[in-house]
Amino acid sequence: GEDVEQSLFLSVREGDSSVINCTYTDSSSTYLYWYKQEPGAGLQLLTYIFSNMDMKQDQRLTVLLNKKDKHLSLRIADTQTGDSAIYFCAETTYSSASKIIFGSGTRLSIRP
Amino acid sequence: DAGVIQSPRHEVTEMGQEVTLRCKPISGHDYLFWYRQTMMRGLELLIYFNNNVPIDDSGMPEDRFSAKMPNASFSTLKIQPSEPRDSAVYFCASRMTGRGLGKNEQFFGPGTRLTVL
Repeated sequence: GEDVEQSLFLSVREGDSSVINCTYTDSSSTYLYWYKQEPGAGLQLLTYIFSNMDMKQDQRLTVLLNKKDKHLSLRIADTQTGDSAIYFCAETTYSSASKIIFGSGTRLSIRP
Repeated sequence: DAGVIQSPRHEVTEMGQEVTLRCKPISGHDYLFWYRQTMMRGLELLIYFNNNVPIDDSGMPEDRFSAKMPNASFSTLKIQPSEPRDSAVYFCASRMTGRGLGKNEQFFGPGTRLTVL
C-alpha cells in the first residue's frame, strides 16, 4: 500500500542546516514532493523531484532521494526564522497518479 | 490569479447543526480535492473530483459528510449533523491535468477552521 512517514518535530538553531527525513513504501513513486505550510495557511509546493533523479538543488534547498531505501530528505541550508513551518513529504505513484499521498508533516522550529 | 478561494475562513457552530463549506478552484483547473487536517490524524484526503465528477470518496468519514461540484468553479462540503469530533481545518485544493506524468502540483486554499461546540 501507499504510506509516507516522517518525524513530527525538528528543532534547529538559526543559521544551522535543517534536515527533514521521510520514508515511503510504494516503489512505484513517480514524483516526490516537499510542501510547506506556514501558520494559518494552506500548503504550498516547496520543491519536488522526479523518481529517476537522485538529487535536486534549488538555492538553499537540497532534496536527496534514495530509491533503494525509499528515503527522501530535505536539507535547508542556513535556516532562518522564516523557515519555521510544517513540512510535508508527499508522493504520487503510477497506481494513483491523480492524487498525492501526504505524510503527517514535520514541524520545524528555529531557536536563536 | 486569486488562487483557490474558500469560505468561510472560520466557522463556529453547535453540535447538530448543518455546516456548509465552500470552495472556488483556480480557473482552468479540472481537479478539486477536499482535505481535513487535525492534530491527531494529520492531513486526510476526503474526496476528489475530476471535471466535476466525484472520483474517489473513500476518505469521507461517514454519511454525515457529502460533497458536490455543480460546476467547474464551485464545490461544497456539507456536514449534517455536525459533531464536536468534526472540528478541524478543511482545505480545498485544485490542479490542472498535466501532460503525461506532470508534477501534479496541487494549489491549496487558506482553509476553513471549523469548531463544533
